[in-house]
Amino acid sequence: AQKVTQAQTEISVVEKEDVTLDCVYETRDTTYYLFWYKQPPSGELVFLIRRNSFDEQNEISGRYSWNFQKSTSSFNFTITASQVVDSAVYFCALSEKVETSGSRLTFGEGTQLTVNP
Amino acid sequence: DSGVTQTPKHLITATGQRVTLRCSPRSGDLSVYWYQQSLDQGLQFLIQYYNGEERAKGNILERFSAQQFPDLHSELNLSSLELGDSALYFCASRSSSGNTIYFGEGSWLTVV
Repeated sequence: AQKVTQAQTEISVVEKEDVTLDCVYETRDTTYYLFWYKQPPSGELVFLIRRNSFDEQNEISGRYSWNFQKSTSSFNFTITASQVVDSAVYFCALSEKVETSGSRLTFGEGTQLTVNP
Repeated sequence: DSGVTQTPKHLITATGQRVTLRCSPRSGDLSVYWYQQSLDQGLQFLIQYYNGEERAKGNILERFSAQQFPDLHSELNLSSLELGDSALYFCASRSSSGNTIYFGEGSWLTVV
């Protein structure tokens, strides 16, 4: 079975600090997708990024960056110069094939990030 | 705004009752997923539909059922509700072009 591990349950930083959220995954699929979602206190799940397994290029979007390393099965997420509005639970997820033609996302347990002013 | 619409946003009901949660996927998306998020279980996959057909089933209880209609909207029916069914229920749709999965804002269900 596929698995996603987010070892950091909670992280607390002070505004403007950089913070990295770790994600390690296990899969037997040769082609897969990895995702990061943000869940603010209001509860919705906000899509941040999707990465294909065959594309190991790192990505930067504003203050956000992602480091995908297939060799270590990791897909880490860094927020540079954190802000209070970044406070949320962040989920890493892995898309897996299910049954003959289905699919689903397997989520990690989430990391609660608190950015203090 | 993800483009995935869920109703109702909040629902309070009594044990033993039945509720229906509704989801409209993003325009053009054929695949719909349902997830349950509770404090002790995290985000759990319930079921997936693609163009009206069930494609994958997760940890969905027998008291729960779902369907996807010809207009692609989906409904999740929860019956004989128990206190433990209180949770945030998410619907998501997968984009046909890019395989990105977008979630709705969720339906908060409280069983009292």
